[in-house]
Amino acid sequence: GEDVEQSLFLSVREGDSSVINCTYTDSSSTYLYWYKQEPGAGLQLLTYIFSNMDMKQDQRLTVLLNKKDKHLSLRIADTQTGDSAIYFCAERTNYGGSQGNLIFGKGTKLSVKP
Amino acid sequence: DVKVTQSSRYLVKRTGEKVFLECVQDMDHENMFWYRQDPGLGLRLIYFSYDVKMKEKGDIPEGYSVSREKKERFSLILESASTNQTSMYLCASRGQGRDEQYFGPGTRLTVT
Repeated sequence: GEDVEQSLFLSVREGDSSVINCTYTDSSSTYLYWYKQEPGAGLQLLTYIFSNMDMKQDQRLTVLLNKKDKHLSLRIADTQTGDSAIYFCAERTNYGGSQGNLIFGKGTKLSVKP
Repeated sequence: DVKVTQSSRYLVKRTGEKVFLECVQDMDHENMFWYRQDPGLGLRLIYFSYDVKMKEKGDIPEGYSVSREKKERFSLILESASTNQTSMYLCASRGQGRDEQYFGPGTRLTVT
């Protein structure tokens, strides 16, 4: 079945770069997503990348996609304490009754130390 | 901006009570979802609906039911709450032909 894997924790110092990694299984995914969840809140769509792209940059965020290895990463430059959150990777399902829904990874908790 | 609201941010119920969690979206989205989120388990899909009065089971529907009488509203029902249903419940909606989901702020339910 389809699966999305992420490491559960990442700790960085303020001002450093953070890199959150994700692997997925469905090579037919058209879009891949990164969501951010701040403490006590719901998920917010942070950014996404279309599957025919290798890279997408949006201010401090850089998304890299390696389709051959089914590997997605989110790089946050100059990480700030306000970036402390849980980051979820997600891909679209293409199977069965859930077709078109998103499959989420378990989330990576990013802790930023001052 | 899409807005998804949930009726309560925090809820405390007793074992055996019937619990209603309400979700409303204002973007005329066809698809709506209920997830629960638990530490180390991520988001797990309970039920979803792709149209009024339509519903589909997700990965963990046992102990839950849903109702979608109007397009903008999707309710999650715990017929007889149990302590293992203590969790964060997240509602989401999605437009037709789109992938991205928009989430509500969540309801933290505690069953004692």
